[in-house]
Amino acid sequence: GAGVSQSPSNKVTEKGKDVELRCDPISGHTALYWYRQSLGQGLEFLIYFQGNSAPDKSGLPSDRFSAERTGGSVSTLTIQRTQQEDSAVYLCASSLGGVSNQPQHFGDGTRLSIL
Amino acid sequence: GNSVTQMEGPVTLSEEAFLTINCTYTATGYPSLFWYVQYPGEGLQLLLKATKADDKGSNKGFEATYRKETTSFHLEKGSVQVSDSAVYFCALRFPPGAGSYQLTFGKGTKLSVIP
Repeated sequence: GAGVSQSPSNKVTEKGKDVELRCDPISGHTALYWYRQSLGQGLEFLIYFQGNSAPDKSGLPSDRFSAERTGGSVSTLTIQRTQQEDSAVYLCASSLGGVSNQPQHFGDGTRLSIL
Repeated sequence: GNSVTQMEGPVTLSEEAFLTINCTYTATGYPSLFWYVQYPGEGLQLLLKATKADDKGSNKGFEATYRKETTSFHLEKGSVQVSDSAVYFCALRFPPGAGSYQLTFGKGTKLSVIP
């Protein structure tokens, strides 16, 4: 079956531009996560969606970052006025609910490069 | 707070050598523990997991045992292959009721296996 799908796989943009990254989770998975993987910081949690509950945004690094999840499925992560320090691989994961022993399944990521 | 510490790499081994990658954690309560692997150019894949003390997770010849007394989850493999070359991440997930169940990752350990 299909895994977590992310698009685009690579994105290069100029500093100051806005970008949108898309995540399509595994069908039936109610929990969706965004993480960021960068050389200096390793893997960092950004935001979590569970069903219709309010998202946990505690990992978002600044108010330039936002995310939404429409219809409990596809999610979009938006970065406004991009900065060079936003360059990283953005990973999306989904899981069956939010129970702690349910594994998260990851997409291949979007590699974002800010010039 | 909750954190994961794993041995720094890179680790270089000859084929058929024994592998240990150390991982210790700090957490409130009893988290679930995971090892994820990232092969070159690919996304994160779940390698194995353990959800309670003394559980042993195993997959593809890799094993790790959840040791509550030492708060450790060391990854081992008796005989590594070139195809095991990858970055390995130890991770924990918050106990139920303690948050939104995002994964907290170690920094990753790069393993290179030479023929």
